[in-house]
Amino acid sequence: KQEVTQIPAALSVPEGENLVLNCSFTDSAIYNLQWFRQDPGKGLTSLLLIQSSQREQTSGRLNASLDKSSGRSTLYIAASQPGDSATYLCAVSRGASGSRLTFGEGTQLTVNP
Amino acid sequence: DTEVTQTPKHLVMGMTNKKSLKCEQHMGHRAMYWYKQKAKKPPELMFVYSYEKLSINESVPSRFSPECPNSSLLNLHLHALQPEDSALYLCASSHGYYSGVKNIQYFGAGTRLSVL
Repeated sequence: KQEVTQIPAALSVPEGENLVLNCSFTDSAIYNLQWFRQDPGKGLTSLLLIQSSQREQTSGRLNASLDKSSGRSTLYIAASQPGDSATYLCAVSRGASGSRLTFGEGTQLTVNP
Repeated sequence: DTEVTQTPKHLVMGMTNKKSLKCEQHMGHRAMYWYKQKAKKPPELMFVYSYEKLSINESVPSRFSPECPNSSLLNLHLHALQPEDSALYLCASSHGYYSGVKNIQYFGAGTRLSVL
């Protein structure tokens, strides 16, 4: 059974810091990996998707890497802003279509002004 | 437009009520999903519809009944729920397996359900 772990569970940083969120998974037979953010009481917003054949994806201040063989992914956020405060969820997909997402417990990020 | 619309936003129901949650997308996606999320926990997959056919049922109790009337709409019919079913119910959609593009899932804002 696939297990996804995110470290740390919570993180508080001053504005402007660069930071790294970690995600690990136990079964390397994944279809893809997605990073989401979730604001309190809201739905999920997809940030980045990395196909199993890829090593990294970038979008603006965000960079996600994937090392499938070691079962790890990192989300790098550059020059953090208070608006980045949210819970960040990592999810790995399985099955032929990648439809089954297994989520980690998330990292709750607070960026202080 | 990457919007998935869910109605209602909030729902309070008794254990003997019958209600429905609705989800709509106009992105041409052919896969739609229902997730359940308890407080401070990650979403858990309930159902997947692919090309309007139920393809995945994650052993969900029969008091939850999904329906996909067409490629844009997804319903979740609720009957005889228990208080422990109170949660945020999220709908998502994606292009689907045969689309040849990344199968990114786009989520709605959710329906917060309270069962009394």
